[in-house]
Amino acid sequence: QAHLVQSGAEVKKPGASVRVSCKASGYTFTFFSIAWVRQAPGQGLEWMGWISPSSGRVHFAQTFQGRLTLTADTSSKSVFMNLESLRFDDSATYFCARLGGEAAMDVWGPGTTVTVSS
Amino acid sequence: SYDLTQPPSVSVSPGQTASITCSSDSLSRQFSYWYQQKPGLAPRILIYKDTERASTTPARFSGSTAGTVVTLTISEVQAEDEADYYCLSGDSNGNWVFGGGTRLTV
Repeated sequence: QAHLVQSGAEVKKPGASVRVSCKASGYTFTFFSIAWVRQAPGQGLEWMGWISPSSGRVHFAQTFQGRLTLTADTSSKSVFMNLESLRFDDSATYFCARLGGEAAMDVWGPGTTVTVSS
Repeated sequence: SYDLTQPPSVSVSPGQTASITCSSDSLSRQFSYWYQQKPGLAPRILIYKDTERASTTPARFSGSTAGTVVTLTISEVQAEDEADYYCLSGDSNGNWVFGGGTRLTV
């Protein structure tokens, strides 16, 4: 059964960077892309970008271009999201989700809370 | 980019039918997907490719499409269906967009 596990909560200062990991199991890692979605407290879902672990190809929402980096490590079946120049409004829960099958984002990680605070 | 428009809230009594719409010109060309999210949890796929139920989706959930509007219908609503519902769609350039979400109150 496909499963995604994410790294733990982070607290960062404005201007810093944060790295969140997403480890896959239960399916062939290179067959699907991984998308990242965030949700600010009390707000809706916002797609950030995706990466294809097999090719390394990435695609970002325009909002995050220049600040977001996605990488994949096929040996550990993990994807890493790095968001730079953090602002207070980057405080959110960040989800990874399997992407690419018929059901689009069909398997989700539990989310990682990132708090930006001075 | 484009927007997917959902009503902010829908209220229904137990046993009734709830309908949640999602509208955008792009939906006449691209598939839609529906997600359910309960407090503190990750979203869960309900419907994919406009009308297909995910393997764990109860039969009382159904999706339909009519041009630029897609609809999630929940028949015989139960208390456990109280949640936020989001539509999702993508474009041919690899971009994805979520609707603003609809809070279903039972």
